[in-house]
Amino acid sequence: DSGVTQTPKHLITATGQRVTLRCSPRSGDLSVYWYQQSLDQGLQFLIQYYNGEERAKGNILERFSAQQFPDLHSELNLSSLELGDSALYFCASSVGLGERLKQYFGPGTRLTVT
Amino acid sequence: DAKTTQPTSMDCAEGRAANLPCNHSTISGNEYVYWYRQIHSQGPQYIIHGLKNNETNEMASLIITEDRKSSTLILPHATLRDTAVYYCIVRVSTLTFGKGTMLLVSP
Repeated sequence: DSGVTQTPKHLITATGQRVTLRCSPRSGDLSVYWYQQSLDQGLQFLIQYYNGEERAKGNILERFSAQQFPDLHSELNLSSLELGDSALYFCASSVGLGERLKQYFGPGTRLTVT
Repeated sequence: DAKTTQPTSMDCAEGRAANLPCNHSTISGNEYVYWYRQIHSQGPQYIIHGLKNNETNEMASLIITEDRKSSTLILPHATLRDTAVYYCIVRVSTLTFGKGTMLLVSP
């Protein structure tokens, strides 16, 4: 158990819909990261937040957005969903910026778009 | 960021040492070598990292060559639960996962 929690575990929705994925980092971790893992693209970094502020962006689509709240939990919002958005979405956390590559990953949310 | 090259797959007998190689010939002086693994459909798990010196923790050992152009992750006594995809990552800022090495530990 990494200490990172993600909800829901599974999500099934239709094309065009909007969903919100939630992540709670390990206690004391200030950085949160989001990743997408699909069969054809592998594990891809989407976005990083540190103490409520966006710090780095990866291959995140404009239809996707994220935020980190004052209690440090984070949400990833996916809108206008397409079939290709079906994937595993992982959240990770790290203590801070100094050890940003030592991340603890949650169990993931499996999103299925039908 | 340095490119890494890993074998696609490796086999190991249970109880034996698993030695997973990684080439990173374009590594720069401030880039660390990180190893993660991912057991099927679970979140990736941090294993170990190093800059120049060899490192050891409760999970594994990391051997980095003197010129830092390659490294080897060693699982000293592989178990069936070590079957996973192992990723060698050389980065400064964000994690980038390549295809990794699929390690299959067999009885």
